[in-house]
Amino acid sequence: DGGITQSPKYLFRKEGQNVTLSCEQNLNHDAMYWYRQDPGQGLRLIYYSQIVNDFQKGDIAEGYSVSREKKESFPLTVTSAQKNPTAFYLCASSSGGTGYGYTFGSGTRLTVV
Amino acid sequence: AQSVTQPDIHITVSEGASLELRCNYSYGATPYLFWYVQSPGQGLQLLLKYFSGDTLVQGIKGFEAEFKRSQSSFNLRKPSVHWSDAAEYFCAVGAVLTGGGNKLTFGTGTQLKVEL
Repeated sequence: DGGITQSPKYLFRKEGQNVTLSCEQNLNHDAMYWYRQDPGQGLRLIYYSQIVNDFQKGDIAEGYSVSREKKESFPLTVTSAQKNPTAFYLCASSSGGTGYGYTFGSGTRLTVV
Repeated sequence: AQSVTQPDIHITVSEGASLELRCNYSYGATPYLFWYVQSPGQGLQLLLKYFSGDTLVQGIKGFEAEFKRSQSSFNLRKPSVHWSDAAEYFCAVGAVLTGGGNKLTFGTGTQLKVEL
């Protein structure tokens, strides 16, 4: 079945470390997205990519980086510059057409220890 | 810029009772509107979407939503709630991105509790 796979499900980060969250899709979608979810704040867009080798900053990109070397993959790195990284991270994808919704992965919960 | 307001943070209903979750949006053009549901620790699942045409949209799990342009609203309804409907519900408005894809802006969510 087609879908989006996020790994790991849980991730622990020490202060000062960079960590990378994986997101893979087999839906043949062109666009991929990363959202951060905090209690009471809904989902906020971190980065998005519409085609391979191209990506754009979302609303809260500071302290994060991404790459899009393959259509299927859109990893997110949480850098040491992100001062409050503890959150639930959701990856999504969509086709390039107008008005299509997203398909979401099951998320990664990142905790700073 | 688009925005979404979900005025109810928490709602509690009895099983079998009807449900209405409120959503108001702000968008300069014809909106693309969505409702998603999220179970604890999981991703979001699409319930229904509105692009154009009939303003009453049917979705999965017995949910429906009505688009009212004059009120900038897209409220979600279900005639009879089941205990398994307890979850968090998100309304979203979509804007087409230049170059393809859509940017979805989400509301802060409504947590639904179902009393047996």
